[in-house]
Amino acid sequence: TQLLEQSPQFLSIQEGENLTVYCNSSSVFSSLQWYRQEPGEGPVLLVTVVTGGEVKKLKRLTFQFGDARKDSSLHITAAQPGDTGLYLCAGGENAGGTSYGKLTFGQGTILTVHP
Amino acid sequence: EAGVAQSPRYKIIEKRQSVAFWCNPISGHATLYWYQQILGQGPKLLIQFQNNGVVDDSQLPKDRFSAERLKGVDSTLKIQPAKLEDSAVYLCASSRNRGTAKTWNTEAFFGQGTRLTVV
Repeated sequence: TQLLEQSPQFLSIQEGENLTVYCNSSSVFSSLQWYRQEPGEGPVLLVTVVTGGEVKKLKRLTFQFGDARKDSSLHITAAQPGDTGLYLCAGGENAGGTSYGKLTFGQGTILTVHP
Repeated sequence: EAGVAQSPRYKIIEKRQSVAFWCNPISGHATLYWYQQILGQGPKLLIQFQNNGVVDDSQLPKDRFSAERLKGVDSTLKIQPAKLEDSAVYLCASSRNRGTAKTWNTEAFFGQGTRLTVV
């Protein structure tokens, strides 16, 4: 089973600060996704990165996929209280043998942004 | 397009009782996942279907958990008998996952989940 380690597990910051969440694995993934989950809801996809070294930006969020496709980071600039939530990275495995697009999640980072 | 539908939203049962959850994925999505999520943690895959066949159930406690997707569309997950440690949110997700081996899209769309409390 491929594992994803996220760090930090908890992050409590003030509005306007910047932050970075890391997602690391010893295994190579075909794609890496980031999800955000609010209490009482299912995770919602933010972005998918598939190419080693790829960088994607979504407003104040910047996502990067490591060159070796084993790790990823999420950077938020000028965090706002609305960014509060559980951030999850997930590694996707392409079909090959019995993978059939298996999706493995990290343990998550709970982000709290205080006004 | 309609999202992933799950029911019920909440369920409270006593230990040793049985419970079933239902999921209707997004139309046309071949892959259906059931995840278990303990409060504050990441989702843990229980079982993955491709159409109506099981492709991964390695982390499903088969002595008490079962799941089916008979017609390759909606799915049910059952726990019998339930234990206290089964208290969690059970998430269903679906993914299109069509294409060649190099272009499979594992982007998953989740339902709101069922919060199970075993007392």
